[in-house]
Amino acid sequence: GQQLNQSPQSMFIQEGEDVSMNCTSSSIFNTWLWYKQDPGEGPVLLIALYKAGELTSNGRLTAQFGITRKDSFLNISASIPSDVGIYFCAGRSAGNMLTFGGGTRLMVKP
Amino acid sequence: NAGVTQTPKFRILKIGQSMTLQCTQDMNHNYMYWYRQDPGMGLKLIYYSVGAGITDKGEVPNGYNVSRSTTEDFPLRLELAAPSQTSVYFCASSPPNSYEQYFGPGTRLTVT
Repeated sequence: GQQLNQSPQSMFIQEGEDVSMNCTSSSIFNTWLWYKQDPGEGPVLLIALYKAGELTSNGRLTAQFGITRKDSFLNISASIPSDVGIYFCAGRSAGNMLTFGGGTRLMVKP
Repeated sequence: NAGVTQTPKFRILKIGQSMTLQCTQDMNHNYMYWYRQDPGMGLKLIYYSVGAGITDKGEVPNGYNVSRSTTEDFPLRLELAAPSQTSVYFCASSPPNSYEQYFGPGTRLTVT
């Protein structure tokens, strides 16, 4: 089946720093979604991307749909303690089914 | 709107027992999904439904069954619980003409 490789697996940064994470695949996807999961909760949708090359922002978050359609990037600017959590990418190739990456665990030091 | 709700929040089962995980959404979404999340991993699709009366297998359906008699409800049934089914289970739904899935808070299941 399709696989999404998400990196880094974890990162420990200082408050105020910018954060970058990405998802790559050998398969082409037509939609990319980025979710955040807080401990003990379900994933919450952050950003949805629908076209190759698309760059979309949601507050301090910016995500891009790679030109090759095989990758996507999420950046968080000026991180704050509440950014702590696990960030998942998800790709859709056909139909409504999503393939999820393994997640990036973000830890922020005040 | 309450969104997607799941019950119970936690459950401990003995090997061989059965149980039903409940999922309800009040957003009139036609698509609904069940995922499992193992520790430190992403989500894997168990079953999904495109509407009342229609269900289909996902990536990891063995050991589970589902039904969809109404638009709102999508229960997941475990017939003979096994330790390998220890996981956190998430239900999600998506509206017509959208690929954005909205998740419930999860059910943490332990089988011992």
